[in-house]
Amino acid sequence: NAGVTQTPKFRVLKTGQSMTLLCAQDMNHEYMYWYRQDPGMGLRLIHYSVGEGTTAKGEVPDGYNVSRLKKQNFLLGLESAAPSQTSVYFCASNLEVGPPYNEQFFGPGTRLTVL
Amino acid sequence: AQRVTQPEKLLSVFKGAPVELKCNYSYSGSPELFWYVQYSRQRLQLLLRHISRESIKGFTADLNKGETSFHLKKPFAQEEDSAMYYCAIRGGGAQKLVFGQGTRLTINP
Repeated sequence: NAGVTQTPKFRVLKTGQSMTLLCAQDMNHEYMYWYRQDPGMGLRLIHYSVGEGTTAKGEVPDGYNVSRLKKQNFLLGLESAAPSQTSVYFCASNLEVGPPYNEQFFGPGTRLTVL
Repeated sequence: AQRVTQPEKLLSVFKGAPVELKCNYSYSGSPELFWYVQYSRQRLQLLLRHISRESIKGFTADLNKGETSFHLKKPFAQEEDSAMYYCAIRGGGAQKLVFGQGTRLTINP
């Protein structure tokens, strides 16, 4: 049981390049999330999904797109990377039930640098 | 709108001293509140949640609805407590979390 995994762990991009971050979970969770972590700003929600085939915008969605074609995977895309997107990206997943079974589990993070 | 404020970006205490990490929130309704911890080079993990009323690794947190606070406390800090701590609130559907800015706690020997 790997929990939440993220690929890649590190990436350096040049401005204007594109890339896709992959998140996978093996806990059969309905809900999945992408956050970015920046110093002094905590974690901010980029996009989320409440089930296969659904996505929704979070707090800071601009410049990102997502897809949830399979329940276990949630992809985050950067079409044209900008230096402001240099950050650590975390994926998370959650059961759709209420407390106390709704702990949100996090992946190990992807450190992205845009030059 | 939901909001979480952690007023201290950095907190440094000596081993054995008491620790208090502050968290204030704004939310209309009955929120779920959490403390998450991120040790060096590790992923975020849940430390405790207010509904459980439990003590994890010696930490406790009491929800004070009058002051809208959820401060994290430990009576005797240990060096292994050095980490980044995030307070978070859940509400608004889809089990979404809103995080505070985080407090980096350093325990000096």
